[in-house]
Amino acid sequence: EVQLVQSGAEVKKPGESLKISCKGSGYSFTSYWIGWVRQMPGKGLEWMGIIYPGDSDTRYSPSFQGQVTISADKSISTAYLQWSSLKASDTAMYYCARREGSGIWVWFDPWGQGTLVTVSS
Amino acid sequence: QSALTQPASVSGSPGQSITISCTGTSSDVGSYNLVSWYQQHPGKAPKLMIYEGSKRPSGVSNRFSGSKSGNTASLTISGLQAEDEADYYCCSYAGSSTFYVFGTGTKVTVL
Repeated sequence: EVQLVQSGAEVKKPGESLKISCKGSGYSFTSYWIGWVRQMPGKGLEWMGIIYPGDSDTRYSPSFQGQVTISADKSISTAYLQWSSLKASDTAMYYCARREGSGIWVWFDPWGQGTLVTVSS
Repeated sequence: QSALTQPASVSGSPGQSITISCTGTSSDVGSYNLVSWYQQHPGKAPKLMIYEGSKRPSGVSNRFSGSKSGNTASLTISGLQAEDEADYYCCSYAGSSTFYVFGTGTKVTVL
């Protein structure tokens, strides 16, 4: 079974750093792009960026470029999303999802269960 | 790149059919039949319902169907059931700068 399992909920203070993870199993982790999606409380889905674990090629949404860093460790089939200095506005649920398809014909499936990040003083 | 536009809410009675629209531009929805649709129940992760505009993944009910006309993609749910009550999001490729964009989301209520 193809599965993405994310790390647990985090509570942080403004200014702190954070790295959350997304571990893939049941497929060749290095052969599929992994995307990250933000969902702020009560709001919709926002695409943040994507990484190809095979060579760590990474693309960011212009809205998130410079705000977060996406990385991957293919030796342990895990992708990461990290912040160097959190803000209260980073409070959200974060999902990882595997990108299926090729070229411009792509979709996201499956999704991880989500990681809730709460930033509060 | 702005989010694709969806109606905030759509409702219907059990057994009825409803359609959710997803309006973009000629740079995203209009250029490609690439829209995918996701269902999200409260407190749960999104689930793929439709890909490449009209294809259903294995395990998704054939009550769900997708189509496109011009710059607008649509998701139709026929034979509406209580379990279909959820939020629905469309998603499209949006070019080599933005890559992907989601719709604003639609809350489906089964009356």
